[in-house]
Amino acid sequence: GAVVSQHPSWVICKSGTSVKIECRSLDFQATTMFWYRQFPKQSLMLMATSNEGSKATYEQGVEKDKFLINHASLTLSTLTVTSAHPEDSSFYICSAIPGGTGGTAYGYTFGSGTRLTVV
Amino acid sequence: GENVEQHPSTLSVQEGDSAVIKCTYSDSASNYFPWYKQELGKRPQLIIDIRSNVGEKKDQRIAVTLNKTAKHFSLHITETQPEDSAVYFCAASIYDMRFGAGTRLTVKP
Repeated sequence: GAVVSQHPSWVICKSGTSVKIECRSLDFQATTMFWYRQFPKQSLMLMATSNEGSKATYEQGVEKDKFLINHASLTLSTLTVTSAHPEDSSFYICSAIPGGTGGTAYGYTFGSGTRLTVV
Repeated sequence: GENVEQHPSTLSVQEGDSAVIKCTYSDSASNYFPWYKQELGKRPQLIIDIRSNVGEKKDQRIAVTLNKTAKHFSLHITETQPEDSAVYFCAASIYDMRFGAGTRLTVKP
């Protein structure tokens, strides 16, 4: 089945630094990838939709200058948390849809997630 | 955009009993409704899904029903077991996926 690889699985960084999270589709091409954030005991909140070769679409309330998304190839999307602060500590998870799903999200595949802790 | 509401937020049942979790969605264009089980710190695991052209789907002890007119769908787990204890999320999708708030299910032995 479709596999989405996400790295790192966890990261600790100092306040004010930047952290990059990578999401790769291993056995399919993903023209679109999605980035979610999940705070403890809460649901997954869609942050942005990443489209290969174009600018990401951000959800309302998500700062595009703080959460930089790059989707330079059909298999790789990156999320960079810039000038991280403790309140950015969260579980970040990406997802992608393999092709041929008939215009639905059937087959939505999640990465393994990244636990970010900002100290 | 799509808004998904999920109830209850917590559910405690006795082993062997049934559990039902309900969700409503706002966008009539949504055409795919998966249910996920999530362990702490891990990715959501798809347990069952249904497309908008189907009213009901069953997989062993798990079933999902969809009422497009009322814009609600439900997860039914029968003969619950302690290992069913987890957080369950419903979602609705046109292309991107929006999640409900989650239900913490506890199955007591």
